[in-house]
Amino acid sequence: GDSVTQMEGPVTLSEEAFLTINCTYTATGYPSLFWYVQYPGEGLQLLLKATKADDKGSNKGFEATYRKETTSFHLEKGSVQVSDSAVYFCALSGGGNNRKLIWGLGTSLAVNP
Amino acid sequence: GAVVSQHPSWVICKSGTSVKIECRSLDFQATTMFWYRQFPKQSLMLMATSNEGSKATYEQGVEKDKFLINHASLTLSTLTVTSAHPEDSSFYICSSRAGANVLTFGAGSRLTVL
Repeated sequence: GDSVTQMEGPVTLSEEAFLTINCTYTATGYPSLFWYVQYPGEGLQLLLKATKADDKGSNKGFEATYRKETTSFHLEKGSVQVSDSAVYFCALSGGGNNRKLIWGLGTSLAVNP
Repeated sequence: GAVVSQHPSWVICKSGTSVKIECRSLDFQATTMFWYRQFPKQSLMLMATSNEGSKATYEQGVEKDKFLINHASLTLSTLTVTSAHPEDSSFYICSSRAGANVLTFGAGSRLTVL
């Protein structure tokens, strides 16, 4: 079945460092791909998404490109801030009539000043 | 923007008791809400889809008599963990679609069963 594999955390970075959180997937059909973020004490929020191959989702300085050839959707940010400290989840929604979200384990990011 | 409020954010109960978790859509009507469960170091698992005015649809392997879901209004869905046991301790999260394809999540409820 469909699955999402996400790099394990926690990830600890200094402010202004470059961030990459790897995410790969297996799916039949043509899934949509998502990154969600959960800040401390808050609910999950959609960070960005991509619905087809080669699409790039971007928001708040974060980017991820839907790579069908490598079945990946890695999250990147060029310069992280302390306020980016959160848990990041990669997810996919199956193509066709299957819109159930399949989740990665989540990656905790801590950014130190 | 759309907000989903979940209550309580954490609860501790004795084994054998029942616990109710509420999920409210504050500024939109939610005909469908989703209940997830997250074990430590594991991904979110969809437990059931709650439909306003009708029975919930449970995922395979989820006991409907154990996890009672009621969605009596367009703004409220409840999950009751009946006769809770320590293995029911988990993080429960609800969500709803506010708009065509936007999932809005509650902050989650951490249940600890002693």
